[in-house]
Amino acid sequence: DSGVTQTPKHLITATGQRVTLRCSPRSGDLSVYWYQQSLDQGLQFLIQYYNGEERAKGNILERFSAQQFPDLHSELNLSSLELGDSALYFCASSVGLLYNSPLHFGNGTRLTVT
Amino acid sequence: GEDVEQSLFLSVREGDSSVINCTYTDSSSTYLYWYKQEPGAGLQLLTYIFSNMDMKQDQRLTVLLNKKDKHLSLRIADTQTGDSAIYFCAETRAYNFNKFYFGSGTKLNVKP
Repeated sequence: DSGVTQTPKHLITATGQRVTLRCSPRSGDLSVYWYQQSLDQGLQFLIQYYNGEERAKGNILERFSAQQFPDLHSELNLSSLELGDSALYFCASSVGLLYNSPLHFGNGTRLTVT
Repeated sequence: GEDVEQSLFLSVREGDSSVINCTYTDSSSTYLYWYKQEPGAGLQLLTYIFSNMDMKQDQRLTVLLNKKDKHLSLRIADTQTGDSAIYFCAETRAYNFNKFYFGSGTKLNVKP
């Protein structure tokens, strides 16, 4: 058990809808990362937050947004969903910015858009 | 990740050793990681090595780092069917500890 909790585990929704994925980082970790894993595209970095502030952006679509709350949990919002958004979405956490520490991943949310 | 390369597939027989390879391009790589992803699960941190080390051993796992050739390998001794998974290597760099560069993953198939 990595200590990173993601909910829900599975989500099935229709095109055009909006969903929210939730992540609780490991105790003591200040940094949260979101990744998308599609069958044919490997692991794509979406966005990173550190202690409530956005730190880095990757290949995140404008239809997607995220935030990290004062209690350090994070939410990834996906709107105007398309079939191609079907993927596994992972959250990972690490201690933070000041020194190198590994990422610890949650078990992911499997999103299916129909 | 375009900066980290891995072969896509590896097939071995149960009881044999597996060697999964990874190459990277940036000479400022500081930490290099190996993650394991079983079907339907998240990435599990297996081990990591600091760039000033050549080797790290942890039970059945041996990590070898050739910094000159920018080559990282993960050897799994006495491979078991439970080792069947996708293995990702990743690196971070001296000028940005917080950015992780992942390879595309190597799918290890262990035949009984």
